[in-house]
Amino acid sequence: DAGVIQSPRHEVTEMGQEVTLRCKPISGHDYLFWYRQTMMRGLELLIYFNNNVPIDDSGMPEDRFSAKMPNASFSTLKIQPSEPRDSAVYFCASSLRGTSSGNTIYFGEGSWLTVV
Amino acid sequence: GNSVTQMEGPVTLSEEAFLTINCTYTATGYPSLFWYVQYPGEGLQLLLKATKADDKGSNKGFEATYRKETTSFHLEKGSVQVSDSAVYFCALSVRRDDKIIFGKGTRLHILP
Repeated sequence: DAGVIQSPRHEVTEMGQEVTLRCKPISGHDYLFWYRQTMMRGLELLIYFNNNVPIDDSGMPEDRFSAKMPNASFSTLKIQPSEPRDSAVYFCASSLRGTSSGNTIYFGEGSWLTVV
Repeated sequence: GNSVTQMEGPVTLSEEAFLTINCTYTATGYPSLFWYVQYPGEGLQLLLKATKADDKGSNKGFEATYRKETTSFHLEKGSVQVSDSAVYFCALSVRRDDKIIFGKGTRLHILP
């Protein structure tokens, strides 16, 4: 199995630019999660989807952030306009049947974003 | 609300030392508990888990026991190796809520 695939692995962009992060979950997984990791705040859940439908977006920091999942094999996280405080590692993760019964979630290798 | 508290790092040990990383939780209902590990430059991966009280999860020499009475899930290993250097995350999920709540992570350095 290929695992969760994220792109780009590294992105450096200027403040004000649009950033799009991409994720391909593990085939057959019906849950997809977007997390953000920083030194100050640790690992934060931004949003998660079940069967391509957003279930909980309460962790999305503000309107500059948006996420979509047009089909079962692809999701995007967009930041527009980007700001230096958005610099972080963004992880996508997926799972089969969610985590409420102790199911495992599988993480991608992350997208390292730097906004200058 | 649901939350996880784990000891702050970094933790620095010599090779073959005994390791304990403390983790306590607050949760409504009966959570499942996890330890995830993150090696440098990589995503998190599951190390072990326990889904009910008194269960013991184990993997790669690491162990953790689900203690409902103390709301704890401490990670232990009897003899650490340099290759165990990583960041360790304690986490929980509760029934009817399909998301995992992570602690802030504990960075572990093992010296040869």
